[in-house]
Amino acid sequence: EVQLVDSGGGLVQPGGSLRLSCAASGFTFSNYWMQWVRQAPGKGLEWVSRINSDGSVPSYADSVKGRFTVSRDNAKNRLYLQMNSLRAEDTAVYYCVRDPAYAAFDLWGQGSLVTVSS
Amino acid sequence: DVVVTQSPLSLPVTLGQPASISCRCSQSLLHSDGNTYLNWFQQRPGQTPRRLIYKVSNRDSGVPDRFSGSGSGTDFTLKISRVEAEDVGVYYCMQGLHWPPTFGQGTKVEIK
Repeated sequence: EVQLVDSGGGLVQPGGSLRLSCAASGFTFSNYWMQWVRQAPGKGLEWVSRINSDGSVPSYADSVKGRFTVSRDNAKNRLYLQMNSLRAEDTAVYYCVRDPAYAAFDLWGQGSLVTVSS
Repeated sequence: DVVVTQSPLSLPVTLGQPASISCRCSQSLLHSDGNTYLNWFQQRPGQTPRRLIYKVSNRDSGVPDRFSGSGSGTDFTLKISRVEAEDVGVYYCMQGLHWPPTFGQGTKVEIK
């Protein structure tokens, strides 16, 4: 089955760190750019980060630049998002998303909830 | 960043009646390759978003043919020919041509 499975979310204090993981299966992971999209409670969708197919070119939204790091392990079919210096406004469900081209976003993980609160 | 504006933000509809959502972008989404990179997503209550339509008018596998997309340049429309109960949720348009990708605010479709 073609799928993305998100994991790693949880409750963290402001200033803390968390690493999200996304396990891909059923397709050739290394052929695709991958992205992270988040959704704050009751809000819309916001693009967070992307990484190209071989992991050499990451990109970030201004709101997370310098704090978040995206990476991938094509041998393990996994995508990661290392989140440091977390803020209350980072509270959201984080979705791993497959991108065949031009942000086509054709396959989504089920999401990982990250709550930043003291 | 390209601004994507949807209207209306709330859309109460009667079962079996049509519904239409507008999406306007601050820049043209027409690429030199001839494609226009505008997608529509559906998010049912409590569920993950799923793509319904890509490149303006191409329905994804499994999407009922009552959903259709149209438009060009900066103005786009998602239409539901006859709304069914399972169509309740929030619909987002998203442009993928200009970096970073940007979403509309979402349109909440509910049954009257």
